[in-house]
Amino acid sequence: KQEVTQIPAALSVPEGENLVLNCSFTDSAIYNLQWFRQDPGKGLTSLLLIQSSQREQTSGRLNASLDKSSGRSTLYIAASQPGDSATYLCAVVSGAGSYQLTFGKGTKLSVIP
Amino acid sequence: NAGVTQTPKFRVLKTGQSMTLLCAQDMNHEYMYWYRQDPGMGLRLIHYSVGEGTTAKGEVPDGYNVSRLKKQNFLLGLESAAPSQTSVYFCASKDLARAGELFFGEGSRLTVL
Repeated sequence: KQEVTQIPAALSVPEGENLVLNCSFTDSAIYNLQWFRQDPGKGLTSLLLIQSSQREQTSGRLNASLDKSSGRSTLYIAASQPGDSATYLCAVVSGAGSYQLTFGKGTKLSVIP
Repeated sequence: NAGVTQTPKFRVLKTGQSMTLLCAQDMNHEYMYWYRQDPGMGLRLIHYSVGEGTTAKGEVPDGYNVSRLKKQNFLLGLESAAPSQTSVYFCASKDLARAGELFFGEGSRLTVL
């Protein structure tokens, strides 16, 4: 059974700092990995989707990397801003059917002005 | 392009009442999901569907029923609501390609008194 872990559960950084969020998974046979952002009281917004054949994806100040062999993905946020404060979740698609998703519990990020 | 739309967004029920949450997607996706999100528990899969006319149980299906009569709609029903079903419910969809990106609705906040 696939398990996804995100450590730390919460992170507080000063504005302007570069930071890395971690996501690890137990079964390396994944099809893709997706990073989401969730603001309080809101739904999940997709940030980046990395296919199993890719090593990284970039969108603006965000860069997500994937190392299937070690079962890890990182989300790098450059020059953090208070507006980046949110909970970040990762999810992997794996298993016999491409519909099986497993989510981590997320990392709550606070960027202090 | 509306994406994934959930109705209603808020609802208060009394114990024993019934209700239906509607999820509609306009992306012609095959796969649809219902999750609940509770503090400290992360996202938990209630039911899912891999195509029109098919449904399957997820991690926490008890007390819920679902139907997928039309490809674009996925209904979640509570036949006799209980306080333990107080939660935020999220619908999501993705296409059947392994590379498919997952899209979420904005959530439905349900309170059972």
